[in-house]
Amino acid sequence: GQNIDQPTEMTATEGAIVQINCTYQTSGFNGLFWYQQHAGEAPTFLSYNVLDGLEEKGRFSSFLSRSKGYSYLLLKELQMKDSASYLCAVRDGNYQLIWGAGTKLIIKP
Amino acid sequence: NAGVTQTPKFRVLKTGQSMTLLCAQDMNHEYMYWYRQDPGMGLRLIHYSVGEGTTAKGEVPDGYNVSRLNKREFSLRLESAAPSQTSVYFCASSYQGSSYEQYFGPGTRLTVT
Repeated sequence: GQNIDQPTEMTATEGAIVQINCTYQTSGFNGLFWYQQHAGEAPTFLSYNVLDGLEEKGRFSSFLSRSKGYSYLLLKELQMKDSASYLCAVRDGNYQLIWGAGTKLIIKP
Repeated sequence: NAGVTQTPKFRVLKTGQSMTLLCAQDMNHEYMYWYRQDPGMGLRLIHYSVGEGTTAKGEVPDGYNVSRLNKREFSLRLESAAPSQTSVYFCASSYQGSSYEQYFGPGTRLTVT
């Protein structure tokens, strides 16, 4: 079957750096997405990786290793507003998007 | 530019009642999707549409029907609601192409008693 694993919850301190990991096993691969979802709100797009390597967007970076079935989202200079769930989603060989259950990130002052 | 809108925002149904959730997007997207989100689980695709007049089943289609009314609007209907359908429902849309992200509506919180 297809599977995406992320830690359920992580805690970090304001101003620090946090890395949220995502491992996947899917039938084929056509890209990986990261979304942010604040409590009670809709998911919003953060990043997309289809080739190996690091994609940087301001305070957020996302890394992909296709051979290892692994990605991470790196958040720098954490702010209280970064408290949210972070969802990893993989587009499989049939171009269907498979979603992880999300990682709840708690930021402490 | 409202993006993706959904109605209603909240609803409580009794078992066996029916309802229709409406979704509209103003971004000229070809693809539209209906998801449900339950605690501790990833978003699960119910049905989707790759263009006007077309629909297809997703991962959890049983108990739901959809209609792509036109390019902008995509409806989800529960004919006979069950407690297992208590969930948050999200509509999303995207351009055609595997690299395009999905844009989500604000969600509908449905409780079936």
